[in-house]
This record gives sequence, C-alpha cells and structure tokens, in this order.
Amino acid sequence: AQSVTQLGSHVSVSEGALVLLRCNYSSSVPPYLFWYVQYPNQGLQLLLKYTSAATLVKGINGFEAEFKKSETSFHLTKPSAHMSDAAEYFCAVTVRGGADGLTFGKGTHLIIQP
Amino acid sequence: EAGVAQSPRYKIIEKRQSVAFWCNPISGHATLYWYQQILGQGPKLLIQFQNNGVVDDSQLPKDRFSAERLKGVDSTLKIQPAKLEDSAVYLCASSSGSPLHFGNGTRLTVT
Repeated sequence: AQSVTQLGSHVSVSEGALVLLRCNYSSSVPPYLFWYVQYPNQGLQLLLKYTSAATLVKGINGFEAEFKKSETSFHLTKPSAHMSDAAEYFCAVTVRGGADGLTFGKGTHLIIQP
Repeated sequence: EAGVAQSPRYKIIEKRQSVAFWCNPISGHATLYWYQQILGQGPKLLIQFQNNGVVDDSQLPKDRFSAERLKGVDSTLKIQPAKLEDSAVYLCASSSGSPLHFGNGTRLTVT
C-alpha cells in the first residue's frame, strides 16, 4: 500500500520568502504524486501533479515540485510567498493515476507573516 | 465546465439520527469518490465508484455507512445511525482518469 508523510503540520514564512513544504512517499511501484491546496470552507484544488514525465513539475500560482526517486520525496516550493498563499496543503499519492483513489498526507498549514 | 456539486453544505444532527449527502459529479466523469476529512487530518477515502459499480469500499464502515450511485451519475452517502466521531467534512470527487476534481464538501456536526 502507498502512503505519504508531510513533515510539519504548520509552516510559517514571511511574505516574499521561499516556501518549502515537505512530502515523502512510500510506494512499491512507481507513484503518481499530487499537491492539492484547500482554502477555508472549500474543497481541494489541484496545484500540480507528477505522472512519470518530467521530474520538475510546474503548477498554478507559481508553485513547483521536484520528484526525487532516490529520496522518495516530492517537496513543494514557491520562490516568493504571497499573503494569498495562506491555506492548507496536502500531498497525495496513487499508483494507477485516476484509476485508484488518492491517499493523502495529514496536511501542512501554511502561515504567511506580513 | 461545471464543477462537482454537493449538498447540503452544512448539517447538524444528534447522535443516533440518520443523515444523507448528495453529490453530482462533473458531466462525463465515470469515477466518483467519497472522502471523509476529520478536522486536522487529510481526506480518507470511503468509497470509489466506477460508473454504478463499487471499485473500493474497504474503508467504509458498512455497519452504519452506505452509498449508492444509481444510473452511474449522482451519488448519495448515508449514515445511520450517526456517532459523535462521524463529525467531519464529507468530500465528493470525480474524475475521468487523472486528476480528481473535488466538490466543496458537506460539513457534518454530530451533537
């Protein structure tokens, strides 16, 4: 069975600073990896996805993530944080794309300090 | 395209009562999922449908939870009887491959 671990339930950065949200996965077969964002009282919105093409994946709102097989990681980054980035971020994994339901991490709450 | 629609947005019930949630997926999406998101946790898959057939319901508490997707379009999730620990947001998602598209969820409070 696959799983993901998100390091840090809360991450606080200053506006304009680098955002780094960590995700490590466990899977016995090549995974499909996703980052979703959730704003208060809303559903989850896809930021980006890795599906075995390029290891560096660019998403919406300036976010990107790099798949590192040797480190079993898929960390999410953004060069310069904006106040509107404050939200809950979830890393998720599946092994057969949309054919399987996603397994989510516990989430990281991103706080942006003015 | 219209997104995944869910209703109601909020529901408050007493324990031992029953409750039902409704989901209308994106048109043409064959796969539909129900997730449970407890406060402070990531969503947990309850059940996955492919058209009107169940693909995975291994994490669905079948003694109290049931779900159906008649005609392979809309779906309902029911809880009977509800327990305090069922308080959560219930998210519906649909897909036609990858990725999943989520609705805004139904927030259930059991008192």
